[in-house]
Amino acid sequence: AQSVTQLDSHVSVSEGTPVLLRCNYSSSYSPSLFWYVQHPNKGLQLLLKYTSAATLVKGINGFEAEFKKSETSFHLTKPSAHMSDAAEYFCVVSETNTGNQFYFGTGTSLTVIP
Amino acid sequence: GAVVSQHPSWVICKSGTSVKIECRSLDFQATTMFWYRQFPKQSLMLMATSNEGSKATYEQGVEKDKFLINHASLTLSTLTVTSAHPEDSSFYICSARRQGATDTQYFGPGTRLTVL
Repeated sequence: AQSVTQLDSHVSVSEGTPVLLRCNYSSSYSPSLFWYVQHPNKGLQLLLKYTSAATLVKGINGFEAEFKKSETSFHLTKPSAHMSDAAEYFCVVSETNTGNQFYFGTGTSLTVIP
Repeated sequence: GAVVSQHPSWVICKSGTSVKIECRSLDFQATTMFWYRQFPKQSLMLMATSNEGSKATYEQGVEKDKFLINHASLTLSTLTVTSAHPEDSSFYICSARRQGATDTQYFGPGTRLTVL
């Protein structure tokens, strides 16, 4: 069965410092993994996705994530936080054998301190 | 692009009335659309999966007679909240899966429903 654990419910960083949002997953098969961002009262925007190609995935707005099968992790990083990065971030796993249904993590709220 | 719109973005209604929310894929055909519900500061909860031309598949605990879903075309799915009550107040988000691409979902901007 698939599941996603986002290890931090809230992360605060100073503007210009690195961002690390942690995600661990559980999957019986080869999963697809996604990071989505949600700004207040908005829908979800796809940041990046991993679908069995390169393990280091580059996304929009300078974000990237590395798929580590041995650690069952898919952590999201950014070298330098910007004020506009403040939002809620969701890690998502899906598998072909379950019809690619999305399983969401509980979300990580990112605060960027000026 | 892969743009999904929802209408309305915000709706306030009286208890006992019905509300229809539309979800449209603007620049692609979506054989499958999904309806989620999100409570404040919580993650998304899948309510139902909507396939074009067939009945929706509801998740356990979701009342299909209360949350009516219609997926009449490859670009439009509707969610009707029937006889709405204050506990139905929530943020409803739809997503669409592009035809031929089975992995990624593209999300709409959400609809805020407030039932008085």
